Amino acid sequence: QVYLVESGGGVVQPGTSLRLSCATSGFSFRTYGMHWVRQAPGKGLEWVATVGFNGDNMWYGDSVQGRFTISRDTSQNTLYLQMNNLRAEDTAIYYCARDFTGQWTIDYWGQGTLVTVS
Amino acid sequence: QSALTQPASVSGSPGQTIAISCSGASSDIVDYKYVSWYQQHSGKAPKLVIYGVNNRPSGVSVRFSGSRSGDTASLIISGLQPEDEADYYCISYTGSRTWVFGGGTKLTVL
Repeated sequence: QVYLVESGGGVVQPGTSLRLSCATSGFSFRTYGMHWVRQAPGKGLEWVATVGFNGDNMWYGDSVQGRFTISRDTSQNTLYLQMNNLRAEDTAIYYCARDFTGQWTIDYWGQGTLVTVS
Repeated sequence: QSALTQPASVSGSPGQTIAISCSGASSDIVDYKYVSWYQQHSGKAPKLVIYGVNNRPSGVSVRFSGSRSGDTASLIISGLQPEDEADYYCISYTGSRTWVFGGGTKLTVL
């Protein structure tokens, strides 16, 4: 059973920083790419960032490029999202998700953690 | 990275068949084999129901299928059931390790 459990959300002021974590279990974390996807209240899904299975390559959506950093710790089976210079429009539920290897999509999702910038 | 286009809402009665469309610019959908669909019930995480245009993950009902016609991908739900009422999102890999979602479609089972 694949488990993805996000933490670290909360209420922060504009311009500040926050780091989200995603603890994983039930699969070989070191062999999968991982994603962060967010959903603003009452809105649709937005792809945020992706990290390759070995952590050497990262890709970002235009709205977070230069402010957010995705990373992973294979020894802890944990995914991270460092968010700097937060804006009101970053308010959303942030989901950790696993890459569906070879299919160029996402298969499993966590339950999400809410970030409110206000 | 503009969102893919989906209808805002679709409705149907139990037992009916409905289709939800998803379209985008050629720069967003580089190949329709990369289009997938998610179901999201209110307050819950999304769940993959179709990938690679028309492949079902293990455990997903055979009532869910996908298709592609021209520049449009579609999610088809046959034998509509009350538990199918949810939001549905398409996603496409755009190339260069970036992805884009559709705006979402609210399915109402009448």
